[in-house]
Amino acid sequence: QSVLTQPPSVSGAPGQRVTISCTGSSSNIGAGYYVHWYQQVPGTAPKLLIYGNNNRPAGVPDRFSGSKSDTSASLAITGLQAEDEADYYCQSHDSSLSAFVFGTGTKVTVL
Amino acid sequence: QVQLQESGPGLVKPSETLSLTCTVSGGSMSGYYWSWIRQPPGKGLEWVAYIYSTENTAYNPSLKPRVTISVDTSKRQFSLRLSSVIAADTAVYYCARGPVPDSTPYYFDYWGQGALVTVSS
Repeated sequence: QSVLTQPPSVSGAPGQRVTISCTGSSSNIGAGYYVHWYQQVPGTAPKLLIYGNNNRPAGVPDRFSGSKSDTSASLAITGLQAEDEADYYCQSHDSSLSAFVFGTGTKVTVL
Repeated sequence: QVQLQESGPGLVKPSETLSLTCTVSGGSMSGYYWSWIRQPPGKGLEWVAYIYSTENTAYNPSLKPRVTISVDTSKRQFSLRLSSVIAADTAVYYCARGPVPDSTPYYFDYWGQGALVTVSS
């Protein structure tokens, strides 16, 4: 049972902007731990997309951006493309569980 | 470019021990943390354990009694053992570099392709 909650699915037409929320609590995101995001195309391994709340690794398009506020975080995808269709997971650390935790995951569908 | 590759049996009987090895290439193992993360079919990701050195390990409390992680830097490998497995341990097991303890900790930056382990008699 994940302590980081995400919407099961979001969708948008090509070129549109979509956002994915990640809701935590005072023992993880609210405690000041950074939030990171991963993209997982079905059948493949997760890929680091955003680290440290809003930093992109080399090679990740600037269409992807992250933000954090209080006990939640968000991932935004602007100029949605067909190749963005994948599952997205947020990740942080939880002091109560003494564990690294992942969100429930969100499936992005490009209409 | 750092690359990780999991290896081990794809089928384990209930109550037996699951053993996996991750081989690291393309970069040094020293100075980094190394983890195992698993994903049951159709479900989300769960961090299992990390190792920095033989003396520096951490385990997910939900699995701690059954899990052991070890490292052999001379072979550029780290390993996972999960004892007394049950059907719920069926998952794709990923090895990954991290948690990276830089200025914006703690993320996982390189992942293996994953190994499906099925627990069944």
